Amino acid sequence: EAGVAQSPRYKIIEKRQSVAFWCNPISGHATLYWYQQILGQGPKLLIQFQNNGVVDDSQLPKDRFSAERLKGVDSTLKIQPAKLEDSAVYLCASSSQPITEAFFGQGTRLTVV
Amino acid sequence: GESVGLHLPTLSVQEGDNSIINCAYSNSASDYFIWYKQESGKGPQFIIDIRSNMDKRQGQRVTVLLNKTVKHLSLQIAATQPGDSAVYFCAQAGGYQKVTFGTGTKLQVIP
Repeated sequence: EAGVAQSPRYKIIEKRQSVAFWCNPISGHATLYWYQQILGQGPKLLIQFQNNGVVDDSQLPKDRFSAERLKGVDSTLKIQPAKLEDSAVYLCASSSQPITEAFFGQGTRLTVV
Repeated sequence: GESVGLHLPTLSVQEGDNSIINCAYSNSASDYFIWYKQESGKGPQFIIDIRSNMDKRQGQRVTVLLNKTVKHLSLQIAATQPGDSAVYFCAQAGGYQKVTFGTGTKLQVIP
């Protein structure tokens, strides 16, 4: 079974620039999550999709972050404009249904300079 | 709000010994608890989970204990191996299915 695919693996941008991350979940998984993991901390949920609908985006900084999951499969997370404090690893995960085992991708390491 | 925290940031264990990683949580309404393992440069990997109607669950070399009275969760790893070296996170699912992670404990296995 293929795992969760994320790209790019690494990204370096200047502050105020924009960036986008892509995620392809495990086939058939209806639930998709985006997490932000700052170095030395646990992952923080940014947004959770159930199919192509948003279940929770309470911790998503909506003034600069946006996410979509078209057709209930792939998802993109965008930051515009980026701030220095956005430097983190952005993890995508998927599960067959909510509150069950989630499978994580390797993440995208973002550095904002 | 919900918070999940760990008592020890780093745990060093001799190879072959048993490891115990502890976690305290604050949201008594949570009904699902999970342990994840994260190796350097990788995403978290599911280890074991437990529902709030249970107090113990066993897997292969791992056991999770849940004490709802004191809001405490622990992960026991039997016969710890070098491959167990990683950061371990406890997580809880609260309202609206939101999964909250703790800050992590680094397990170092001494050969």
